Amino acid sequence: DTEVTQTPKHLVMGMTNKKSLKCEQHMGHRAMYWYKQKAKKPPELMFVYSYEKLSINESVPSRFSPECPNSSLLNLHLHALQPEDSALYLCASSQDRGWGTDTQYFGPGTRLTVL
Amino acid sequence: GNSVTQMEGPVTLSEEAFLTINCTYTATGYPSLFWYVQYPGEGLQLLLKATKADDKGSNKGFEATYRKETTSFHLEKGSVQVSDSAVYFCALVNTGTASKLTFGTGTRLQVTL
Repeated sequence: DTEVTQTPKHLVMGMTNKKSLKCEQHMGHRAMYWYKQKAKKPPELMFVYSYEKLSINESVPSRFSPECPNSSLLNLHLHALQPEDSALYLCASSQDRGWGTDTQYFGPGTRLTVL
Repeated sequence: GNSVTQMEGPVTLSEEAFLTINCTYTATGYPSLFWYVQYPGEGLQLLLKATKADDKGSNKGFEATYRKETTSFHLEKGSVQVSDSAVYFCALVNTGTASKLTFGTGTRLQVTL
């Protein structure tokens, strides 16, 4: 089973709202990722968690706040977003064997629209 | 640094035609190479992978061979179907980069009847 699930599938929010995206995997993976994908572009890495600790933040604005409550769950908290933050947000997971070439498995994504 | 170059799309083929999507990479050391596919409105699915030189990844009729001498990982399929219409991303992950994927720009494939 190589399934990563994400909820919600679609989200519309205003610029003053607070919302959260959720991601879950049950593959025993210890690394989890958030990506942002704009139309007709490849995904861009936002955050990496390794063993439930934030290991990479790709200079993402603070209006995006990641959280990893346990090894199976990853959240992305959203606050005061801008219309240009509208995109497909993808979660991924991988084993974390330490040498950096593990396969990442992606979820179906959350389509976010900021009004 | 690491980089991946894919052929520009869109690629338009008739059903049952032969497909090649070119992918070349730049990386030091021994990266792992991947092809991901993204169907309209969906996330990325791993299509195939290769972890060392001369490995051939294959899945659903698609194949790609890790060629270190030409730094290439071209995707091929002998007979495409309408259902193969999607965007295909070539990607690599390298040692010492904390599993950061480097993607190509993506190639859109449109298969018609």
